[in-house]
Amino acid sequence: AQRVTQPEKLLSVFKGAPVELKCNYSYSGSPELFWYVQYSRQRLQLLLRHISRESIKGFTADLNKGETSFHLKKPFAQEEDSAMYYCAPHTGRRALTFGSGTRLQVQP
Amino acid sequence: NAGVMQNPRHLVRRRGQEARLRCSPMKGHSHVYWYRQLPEEGLKFMVYLQKENIIDESGMPKERFSAEFPKEGPSILRIQQVVRGDSAAYFCASSLRTELGTEAFFGQGTRLTVV
Repeated sequence: AQRVTQPEKLLSVFKGAPVELKCNYSYSGSPELFWYVQYSRQRLQLLLRHISRESIKGFTADLNKGETSFHLKKPFAQEEDSAMYYCAPHTGRRALTFGSGTRLQVQP
Repeated sequence: NAGVMQNPRHLVRRRGQEARLRCSPMKGHSHVYWYRQLPEEGLKFMVYLQKENIIDESGMPKERFSAEFPKEGPSILRIQQVVRGDSAAYFCASSLRTELGTEAFFGQGTRLTVV
């Protein structure tokens, strides 16, 4: 069965601390991996995707096929990073499905 | 392009009434997805539609819930005889395609409160 796991429901860090939001997936084939973010009172939006290998707002995510993980990282968290983050594998021709999400709280 | 538009933003219904949630996808997008977000929980897939077709409704409750995406007009998520447990935020997303790596664009959601 296809499954995506975000083990942490809440991650609280202080400003300037490193952040790692975990995502593990169990999918057949080779899914494309996305991270979506939902800031307070805003719509869900794409943060970054594996295929483009880019860094957005200081966040990066490395796909580890051996561990089937796609953890989201940022070396120095900012208060404006506080949001809900969703990992989303996509296999094409199906709807995008999301992990349960991790709420990141960055404290001053 | 105004983006994905959902209305109403907030909807209050009494138990037993019907709720109709509307979603207008981005211009040119023919794929629509509905998700439900319960308080303090993540997004749960409900249904995936293309124009006039339901492609995947595996996340939709078997009773009281239905969805359509007609040839003309917005996609509608319909909940009949609402119960308190239906209170949630309902999000719609659209995409241009479903090939690998296609980005989905989300609406701002409809918050349904059943009293």
